[in-house]
Amino acid sequence: DAGVIQSPRHEVTEMGQEVTLRCKPISGHDYLFWYRQTMMRGLELLIYFNNNVPIDDSGMPEDRFSAKMPNASFSTLKIQPSEPRDSAVYFCASSALAGGQETQYFGPGTRLLVL
Amino acid sequence: GENVEQHPSTLSVQEGDSAVIKCTYSDSASNYFPWYKQELGKGPQLIIDIRSNVGEKKDQRIAVTLNKTAKHFSLHITETQPEDSAVYFCAASRNNAGNMLTFGGGTRLMVKP
Repeated sequence: DAGVIQSPRHEVTEMGQEVTLRCKPISGHDYLFWYRQTMMRGLELLIYFNNNVPIDDSGMPEDRFSAKMPNASFSTLKIQPSEPRDSAVYFCASSALAGGQETQYFGPGTRLLVL
Repeated sequence: GENVEQHPSTLSVQEGDSAVIKCTYSDSASNYFPWYKQELGKGPQLIIDIRSNVGEKKDQRIAVTLNKTAKHFSLHITETQPEDSAVYFCAASRNNAGNMLTFGGGTRLMVKP
């Protein structure tokens, strides 16, 4: 398996622009997680899905952030409008609970810089 | 909710020495404790995990211990090598929390050759 795939790997945009981050989870995994990593706040869980349904979005910073999972093999995290404080590395991870395997597998991340 | 604290935030050791990273958790219902290694420019990767029904687990040079009573767990790396240099994260979760992990703040380990 290719692992969790994220695109783009790097994104530079200007304040006010819309940003869309993409994730393809590992095939067969039924959980998908979006995290944000910054020096100040570490790894923060933003939202997670189970079987394509959002379960907990309490970590989403504000209404400018939204996430969707239209099918089992694709998810997006959208920021509109973007702000400089959104600059961070965004990770997607997936896992499967089958057999009690909670291991989360992380993608390589998207490094976002908002100018 | 769960709160995981990790210490130290930075750790520098000489090649060949041992390194120990400690974490405490707050939710007594937590029963799964993974450790992740993050190298520069990459996503965190699982290196070892432990469940609450065991007290210790070992995989070559790395081992993890768990003290459920005290609610703390530790990562031990023996015979450290320069390639062990990375940021290490501990985490905790409980099955009925929907597979959700709570991460510690991370430890930057530097192994000096």
